[in-house]
Amino acid sequence: SQQGEEDPQALSIQEGENATMNCSYKTSINNLQWYRQNSGRGLVHLILIRSNEREKHSGRLRVTLDTSKKSSSLLITASRAADTASYFCATDGAGNNRKLIWGLGTSLAVNP
Amino acid sequence: DVKVTQSSRYLVKRTGEKVFLECVQDMDHENMFWYRQDPGLGLRLIYFSYDVKMKEKGDIPEGYSVSREKKERFSLILESASTNQTSMYLCASRAGGPSYEQYFGPGTRLTVT
Repeated sequence: SQQGEEDPQALSIQEGENATMNCSYKTSINNLQWYRQNSGRGLVHLILIRSNEREKHSGRLRVTLDTSKKSSSLLITASRAADTASYFCATDGAGNNRKLIWGLGTSLAVNP
Repeated sequence: DVKVTQSSRYLVKRTGEKVFLECVQDMDHENMFWYRQDPGLGLRLIYFSYDVKMKEKGDIPEGYSVSREKKERFSLILESASTNQTSMYLCASRAGGPSYEQYFGPGTRLTVT
């Protein structure tokens, strides 16, 4: 079952602009993860934020988590054409240490 | 460098055939997963395994079975392939515990005609 819902479904920006994607979820979580998928390939892990964290950075990525609103956002700063991909959030539910619950993804196009 | 490999990138099978998709990981991970990915439906979990010979159904197990005889290998079996099983199949592995990422293979695009 899908728990995460990404917003927007699709996003098109120019190189150098920032891209923001949002993810909402329904139940309590241990952590929330973001993944990237280039066209027709497997997913690659980007960043994990634990339920007791509010913000995390990794290079040009910034993730926030608001557990009171059950939502997270992924910000990619100074975007590049190589950032063109689909981005998925996945939640690791409290009490369930094996399965991830996936959103449907945001398709990001960065135009040169 | 961690690696999850899948036996085929592209596969074309006929309706009714038995299909085997193989996945191998070299990270000594306890957990392994099979997903299918379809446009507009995201990733859907078919089966997962948390130990050798152990398996649990995911969200869409119907029409599939799995085998995990060795820790590094997790096989997905389509007993009698049907056209509605045409999809991208993704294998992933993960270490034990709640705060670990999943590592994905490159995917197998299966077409059933």
